[in-house]
Amino acid sequence: SQQGEEDPQALSIQEGENATMNCSYKTSINNLQWYRQNSGRGLVHLILIRSNEREKHSGRLRVTLDTSKKSSSLLITASRAADTASYFCAPYTGGFKTIFGAGTRLFVKA
Amino acid sequence: GAGVSQSPRYKVAKRGQDVALRCDPISGHVSLFWYQQALGQGPEFLTYFQNEAQLDKSGLPSDRFFAERPEGSVSTLKIQRTQQEDSAVYLCASSYTRGGTDNEQFFGPGTRLTVL
Repeated sequence: SQQGEEDPQALSIQEGENATMNCSYKTSINNLQWYRQNSGRGLVHLILIRSNEREKHSGRLRVTLDTSKKSSSLLITASRAADTASYFCAPYTGGFKTIFGAGTRLFVKA
Repeated sequence: GAGVSQSPRYKVAKRGQDVALRCDPISGHVSLFWYQQALGQGPEFLTYFQNEAQLDKSGLPSDRFFAERPEGSVSTLKIQRTQQEDSAVYLCASSYTRGGTDNEQFFGPGTRLTVL
């Protein structure tokens, strides 16, 4: 597997606004996963998008994948204070490893 | 229990001591992973088990680190002669399928190790 690079490093928004985080990677992938980590619930899997998918939804989350640009984005709509967390992408190319980047730190102000 | 559990949640060790960190994966999960997470960084892969077989240990930082899963369920990560740079949160994750990470991993709460 390879490491994804999340952008921006930090993001601060008001409750109710949308938050967009991006992930870039270098080589072809089988799938890409997004994870969230906060102090309350630890590291939690959010969504997996396969290389033949372009968009996927889960509740207030929308993930897109552009394999031609080797990038993915995670959109959180109508953000809540509880969405405050670090978000990591994990591009998967095979093998047993999941390689996480440094993540995007999202702060949602009430 | 319903999730992955780890013990102890916090461990303080004096430099040079040996420590053992335990992971109880979700029952029936074939795959088990260990990660090390330094403050402000993402988790870094340490090792992977498929049942009792350790199929990838390429992330273990030195021969002071040793992991086992003798019966294919509970796993222990042992660190010998701890050093200050070993201070980190150690995360365990399990997954119900064998093989790679083409599926969801369920993470435990972690063990925060502080080496003085």
